[in-house]
Amino acid sequence: GAVVSQHPSWVICKSGTSVKIECRSLDFQATTMFWYRQFPKQSLMLMATSNEGSKATYEQGVEKDKFLINHASLTLSTLTVTSAHPEDSSFYICSARSGRDNEKLFFGSGTQLSVL
Amino acid sequence: QKEVEQNSGPLSVPEGAIASLNCTYSDRVSQSFFWYRQYSGKSPELIMSIYSNGDKEDGRFTAQLNKASQYVSLLIRDSQPSDSATYLCAVRRAAGNKLTFGGGTRVLVKP
Repeated sequence: GAVVSQHPSWVICKSGTSVKIECRSLDFQATTMFWYRQFPKQSLMLMATSNEGSKATYEQGVEKDKFLINHASLTLSTLTVTSAHPEDSSFYICSARSGRDNEKLFFGSGTQLSVL
Repeated sequence: QKEVEQNSGPLSVPEGAIASLNCTYSDRVSQSFFWYRQYSGKSPELIMSIYSNGDKEDGRFTAQLNKASQYVSLLIRDSQPSDSATYLCAVRRAAGNKLTFGGGTRVLVKP
């Protein structure tokens, strides 16, 4: 199956710093990538849809200036949490659709962010 | 009303038994349905996809879809302790649209 690599797996940072998370599709081109956030014992909540070469589409309630998304190539999308605060601590997961099967969504391994 | 609803569980089943998970959705024009398994601290893993009414079997897993009643279910036969995880139901309105996830059902398989 398609492989999506996400890095880093976990990060601990001080309040006020910015954190960048990378999501790469390793064996396929992903024109669209999705960023999700998951709080403990809750489901995945879509934050934004990232399209290669264009601005990301953010879900209602997600601050686009705080969660910066860049999808500069067909294999890489990045999420930057700017000026992170403890309430931003969460599990962030990226996903991408494989061009071979547009119906299926493949997930990265996730990034656990802890803001002190 | 949530767009995709699941019983949060935990659903406790003895090893070797059948685990039955249900999911209902509110959007009648939904076309694609998925079941994901998620272990604690890990990202979701696709188990099954189903697009038309009826049953679809893959190994020990069977997905059932009833669009008229707006529900999709997952059966896990011969449940194993390694099946203990949270199972997420996801629904998509049309090809290319975003997935909407249910809250997940936690399954515990006891040896």
